[in-house]
Amino acid sequence: EVQLVESGGGLVQPGGSLRLSCAASGFTFSSYEMNWVRQAPGKGLEWVSYISSSGSTIYYADSVKGRFTISRDNAKNSLYLQMNSLRAEDTAVYYCARWGVIYSSSSGDYYYYMDVWGKGTTVTVSS
Amino acid sequence: EIVMTQSPATLSVSPGERATLSCRASQSVSSNLAWYQQKPGQAPRLLIYGASTRATGIPARFSGSGSGTEFTLTISSLQSEDFAVYYCQQYNNWPPLTFGQGTKVEIK
Repeated sequence: EVQLVESGGGLVQPGGSLRLSCAASGFTFSSYEMNWVRQAPGKGLEWVSYISSSGSTIYYADSVKGRFTISRDNAKNSLYLQMNSLRAEDTAVYYCARWGVIYSSSSGDYYYYMDVWGKGTTVTVSS
Repeated sequence: EIVMTQSPATLSVSPGERATLSCRASQSVSSNLAWYQQKPGQAPRLLIYGASTRATGIPARFSGSGSGTEFTLTISSLQSEDFAVYYCQQYNNWPPLTFGQGTKVEIK
């Protein structure tokens, strides 16, 4: 079964740090690009960060740039998000999501999507 | 950054009726748009990619259309399990990947 399982969430004080993990199983993790997406309480989805399959290409949302670091260990089938200088506005459920791609021979286009999601891990930043 | 705007914020529909959800992009995203469904306490689930292609295992009552800046998700005959929040997301011009704010489909 294709699965992503996040862990590492918890309660942390403003200015603190936390490291989230995402364990992948049931597919060849090293072949897939990955994302972190978060959802603040009662709010919508917000993309946080992306990492290519090799880890050579990384992107961040402006809201976390300079504070969060995405990484992966393909040997361990794991994705990580190191979160530093945490703020109250970082309080959210954090999901890891697989970035899938398919080629359409009819259109000649590549289509991308987040096709596998974990159940999420909750991060609460509060004093 | 491309801003995605969904309407309405809440849609009240009776079971068996059709639901039509809209998503507008602040600039063209071609057909590089996906739709996701999220139920309370659950992770999002991919419904549609490429604006109109159903993901694996998604029932035929879900359909997507549009290109450029205007997109529609249609649920032809709402089932009880379809009451949820729906998000559109563009991947034409990123980073950042951007989502709409969501449309909640509730029971009328």
